[in-house]
Amino acid sequence: QSALTQPRSVSGSPGQSVTISCTGTSSDVGGYNYVSWYQQHPGKAPKLMIYDVSKRPSGVPDRFSGSKSGNTASLTISGLQAEDEADYYCSSYAGTYTFVVFGGGTKLTVL
Amino acid sequence: QLQLQESGPGLVKPSETLSLTCTVSGGSITSSGFYWGWIRQPPGKGLEWLGTIYHTGSTYYNPSLKSRVTISVDTSKNHFSLKLSSVTAADTAVYYCARYFSYLDYWGQGTLVTVSS
Repeated sequence: QSALTQPRSVSGSPGQSVTISCTGTSSDVGGYNYVSWYQQHPGKAPKLMIYDVSKRPSGVPDRFSGSKSGNTASLTISGLQAEDEADYYCSSYAGTYTFVVFGGGTKLTVL
Repeated sequence: QLQLQESGPGLVKPSETLSLTCTVSGGSITSSGFYWGWIRQPPGKGLEWLGTIYHTGSTYYNPSLKSRVTISVDTSKNHFSLKLSSVTAADTAVYYCARYFSYLDYWGQGTLVTVSS
């Protein structure tokens, strides 16, 4: 069982928006602004899409955005494209004992 | 461009110790503020953080695996290593190394380690 809770799957049609939630506790998501999101295509290494809750690395389209409220972080993908179909994982810093925790992953299907 | 590359045996026998090395190129492992970590992914499952090390040798381990995991760093070779003892079939996974700041921005391509006799 993963430390952070994500929906197992979400779906949307091209051009639509989808939001993936990531629920933790006050010891991880709620306690620090160090939530990050990763996209993983089959057979590939994860790719950083969002860091520090809402910042985008260079090269990541602005269709990807992140936010946080309390113990729940969210990743929103607007203007869905076929290439967005992938698994998405959230992660959070969780203090010096646990350090890093991941969500269980969400499979995004573009219909 | 920073690159990370995992290396090590792809097959390990049950009860033995899994050993992997991550070689960093295109940058220094002693860069201030950056940590170096190991993450694994069993086939068809999600990501699991194993542990993280700073170039000074400070380590942080997943509490659920702490008794079996050892991470070390060799700054002269610009690499860091993972040892996982007493492995079982449940340790079969793709093992990734990555750079950590408050996020994992550079990842290795991953290496599949199978635990089987």
